[in-house]
Order: sequence, then structure tokens, then C-alpha cells
Amino acid sequence: AQSVTQLDSQVPVFEEAPVELRCNYSSSVSVYLFWYVQYPNQGLQLLLKYLSGSTLVKGINGFEAEFNKSQTSFHLRKPSVHISDTAEYFCAVSNYQGAQKLVFGQGTRLTINP
Amino acid sequence: EAGVAQSPRYKIIEKRQSVAFWCNPISGHATLYWYQQILGQGPKLLIQFQNNGVVDDSQLPKDRFSAERLKGVDSTLKIQPAKLEDSAVYLCASRALAGGPLQYFGPGTRLTVT
Repeated sequence: AQSVTQLDSQVPVFEEAPVELRCNYSSSVSVYLFWYVQYPNQGLQLLLKYLSGSTLVKGINGFEAEFNKSQTSFHLRKPSVHISDTAEYFCAVSNYQGAQKLVFGQGTRLTINP
Repeated sequence: EAGVAQSPRYKIIEKRQSVAFWCNPISGHATLYWYQQILGQGPKLLIQFQNNGVVDDSQLPKDRFSAERLKGVDSTLKIQPAKLEDSAVYLCASRALAGGPLQYFGPGTRLTVT
């Protein structure tokens, strides 16, 4: 079974500052890794994914994440945030084989202050 | 390409009443998921279908929740009778069999049980 821990429930930052949202996972098998964003009253939108290959993955809206297998982490970063990045961010894993269901973390609420 | 459609978007019912949610996945997607997202938490898988068969319903409270996907396309999730703790957003997602692990989410149905 897999599990995901998002280390911060809320992250407030000032506009144009850098941000890092932390995610650690636990799994006995190889996994795929994802970050989703959820704006108020909307569904989940895929930001980026790690399936294989380069451990640094780039996504939409200037976000990137780095897969660290030894530390079982997949932290999300953006060098300069905007007001429009205010949202809830979810880290998720799914296994390579079988049902490939997504297991989500608790979410991190990113608040951008002007 | 049309996305995952869900209806209704919002529903308010009293406890002990019944409610049903509808999902229309992306055309051609064989796999369909229902997730429950309680406020302040990440989504949790309730049930997964592949075509019209159930792959995983281990976390579905079967005494009150039921789901079907009779023709392998649309799906309905029902709660009968509803409890206060069922207040949540119900998300539907779909995935193509040959599309790897990527799931595409609908906008969700926000259920409030009073």
C-alpha cells in the first residue's frame, strides 16, 4: 500500500517570492508521482507528473518538481509566484501495475499575499 | 475533446434522504473512478470500474453507497440514506486503458447533508 504525506497544511508567501511545497511518499513498489492543483469550486487539474526518466520534471504555470528516490520525496517548486497561484495543491502516487488508483496527500493551501 | 462531465454541481439534502450523482467520462475511456473529498482532506477512492466491471470497491461503504456503470460509459453513484459525514465533494475521473496512469477529473459534485 502507498501513502503520501504533505508536510505543510498551509504555506503563505508574498507575491514574486519563491515557494516549495513538500511531499514525501511511502511505497514498497515503484510508483508514478503527480501534483494536482485545485482552484476554489473546481475539480483537480494536473500540474505535472513523474513517470520515468529525468528526475526534474516541469509542469504548467512555471511549476517544477524533483523526484528523489533515496529520500522518497517529490517536492514542488516555483521560483516566483503570482496571486493567481492561490489554490490547494495535492501530491499523489499511483502504482505501476494493477488498478493504478491515485493515493493523495492531505493537501497544501498556498496563499499568495500582495 | 470534451472533458469529464458531472451533475449536479451542488446538492443539499437532509440526513436520511437519498441522492444520486452522475458522471460521463471522456469518450473512449474504459476506466472510471469515483473519489470522495471531505473538506480539508485529499480525495479518497470510493470505487473503480473498468468498462462495466468493478475493479476496486474496498473503501466504498456498501451499507449506504452504491455505484453502477451499466453500459460501460456513464456511471451513477448513490447514497441511501445519507449521513451528516457524507458531506463532501464527489469527484469522478476517467482514464484510457492505453493512456498510462493519467486520470482526468470532472468538476465534482458538492454535497451538503443537513
